[in-house]
Amino acid sequence: GAVVSQHPSWVICKSGTSVKIECRSLDFQATTMFWYRQFPKQSLMLMATSNEGSKATYEQGVEKDKFLINHASLTLSTLTVTSAHPEDSSFYICSASGTGGGQFFGPGTRLTVL
Amino acid sequence: GNSVTQMEGPVTLSEEAFLTINCTYTATGYPSLFWYVQYPGEGLQLLLKATKADDKGSNKGFEATYRKETTSFHLEKGSVQVSDSAVYFCALSAGAGGTSYGKLTFGQGTILTVHP
Repeated sequence: GAVVSQHPSWVICKSGTSVKIECRSLDFQATTMFWYRQFPKQSLMLMATSNEGSKATYEQGVEKDKFLINHASLTLSTLTVTSAHPEDSSFYICSASGTGGGQFFGPGTRLTVL
Repeated sequence: GNSVTQMEGPVTLSEEAFLTINCTYTATGYPSLFWYVQYPGEGLQLLLKATKADDKGSNKGFEATYRKETTSFHLEKGSVQVSDSAVYFCALSAGAGGTSYGKLTFGQGTILTVHP
């Protein structure tokens, strides 16, 4: 089956620093990637949708200048949390879909901001 | 807007017990419905789906029927195993064609633990 990886799997950073999370489709070309955020014991909340070579479309209430998304190739999308603060601590999950249909999820990245 | 509500967990069962996890939804139009499973340390995996009313999705002994009249998509399994221990998410997509590559709206997830 299609495999999606995320790196890093967990990261701890100081308040005010920026953190980049990578999402890769390992064995298929991902025309669309989605970024989700999950709080403990809560649902996954869609943050943004990115299509390769285009600007990401952000969901209402998500700050585009804070959560920078780049989808420069058909196998890689990155999420950069800029000037991170403790309230940004969360579990970030990406998913990817290609022309064959289906949506495949990465294992997630745990971000802790001190 | 669209929303999905799952029964609150966690759910703890003995091996071979019957499982039901309730899921109801609110959506405009005719959404597709999905159950995803997340095993410890892994990403979400599609378990089953249904694209129209009265469709039954099934996989690995799990079943769910798309009930438009009750806006429900309850997950059932007749005899659970220890290996079924995971987090289960109900989700819907308003995208056409029954694909899951459109935007997904998730329920809050239900933790299932099965004891030997």
